[in-house]
Amino acid sequence: GENVEQHPSTLSVQEGDSAVIKCTYSDSASNYFPWYKQELGKRPQLIIDIRSNVGEKKDQRIAVTLNKTAKHFSLHITETQPEDSAVYFCAASTGSNYQLIWGAGTKLIIKP
Amino acid sequence: DGGITQSPKYLFRKEGQNVTLSCEQNLNHDAMYWYRQDPGQGLRLIYYSQIVNDFQKGDIAEGYSVSREKKESFPLTVTSAQKNPTAFYLCASSTGASTGELFFGEGSRLTVL
Repeated sequence: GENVEQHPSTLSVQEGDSAVIKCTYSDSASNYFPWYKQELGKRPQLIIDIRSNVGEKKDQRIAVTLNKTAKHFSLHITETQPEDSAVYFCAASTGSNYQLIWGAGTKLIIKP
Repeated sequence: DGGITQSPKYLFRKEGQNVTLSCEQNLNHDAMYWYRQDPGQGLRLIYYSQIVNDFQKGDIAEGYSVSREKKESFPLTVTSAQKNPTAFYLCASSTGASTGELFFGEGSRLTVL
């Protein structure tokens, strides 16, 4: 069946450096790719999303890129700050309008 | 935080018992979802509902049941048939199809003793 692979599972970066998380999907029909951030003990929240008709989207320090040919998309966080520490999940839409396939998550650690 | 409320936050259950997790939203969203979250895994869809009085199985519906009698409520029952129910359960809602933002509750952690 469809799946989404997310790498790395843990990422540790120095405060101020950039972080990149990558996801690969299998369903060629996927056309919507959100990223959610889940801080410790809190609910997941949408931080950015991208649709298949664009290749890149930015929102301040966060950007997402999409390569439909290679079926992968990436989250880029620049100038990382302590509050960026969290688990980040990618997801991809499926043929069903109500289902997303989720990556396993990346724990991002920002070292002071 | 308002919008979508789950209760209880923590729940302990003995083997063989059914338990019901509550999920209420005041966002006027048509669609509601139940996800299960296990360590090192992504969110897995248990059930979803597009509209009142209608719901569909997700990828891991076995051992679970739901109802959608009211737009704002989507309770999940974890039955004794669920072989490994200890997990973190997340309820979510959205305005419609999943190609839009999901709003999550704070979750319910179920532990089977």
